[in-house]
Amino acid sequence: KQEVTQIPAALSVPEGENLVLNCSFTDSAIYNLQWFRQDPGKGLTSLLLIQSSQREQTSGRLNASLDKSSGRSTLYIAASQPGDSATYLCAVKPESGYSTLTFGKGTMLLVSP
Amino acid sequence: DGGITQSPKYLFRKEGQNVTLSCEQNLNHDAMYWYRQDPGQGLRLIYYSQIVNDFQKGDIAEGYSVSREKKESFPLTVTSAQKNPTAFYLCASSIAGSQYFGPGTRLTVL
Repeated sequence: KQEVTQIPAALSVPEGENLVLNCSFTDSAIYNLQWFRQDPGKGLTSLLLIQSSQREQTSGRLNASLDKSSGRSTLYIAASQPGDSATYLCAVKPESGYSTLTFGKGTMLLVSP
Repeated sequence: DGGITQSPKYLFRKEGQNVTLSCEQNLNHDAMYWYRQDPGQGLRLIYYSQIVNDFQKGDIAEGYSVSREKKESFPLTVTSAQKNPTAFYLCASSIAGSQYFGPGTRLTVL
């Protein structure tokens, strides 16, 4: 059974720092990996989707990488801002079967001014 | 605007009552999902539906029921058999391997 782990569980940084969030998964037979952002009491917003054949995706200050063979993905946030404060979740979709995602428990990020 | 709507935003239930959470999407997505989120436990899949009039149990389906009579709608009923229903419930739909989420419903048992 696929397991997704996110480290660290919580992170607090001052504004302006570059930071890296980590996601690891136990079964490398994935179709894609998706990073989400969740604000308190809200739904999830998709940030980046990386197909299994891709190595990375970029959107603005965000860059996500994928190393499928080692079961790892990182989300890099450049020049962090207080508005980046949220919980970040990663999820993997299996190669086979229906489109059911397996989620990590998330990293809670706090960026202080 | 295209998107997923969930209602109500907050819901209170007395023990022994059934309640139904609404989820509607106008994205024309075939697949829809219900997740439960508890503090520190991430998202867990309750039910999913790939097509109208068909749905499958997820990891924690006991005490829940769903229907999929229309492509746009996927309501979730939390029955009295669900012993610990207080949680945040998220509905999602998907296309091309990417999932899109609604704003969620917070259910509290009084």
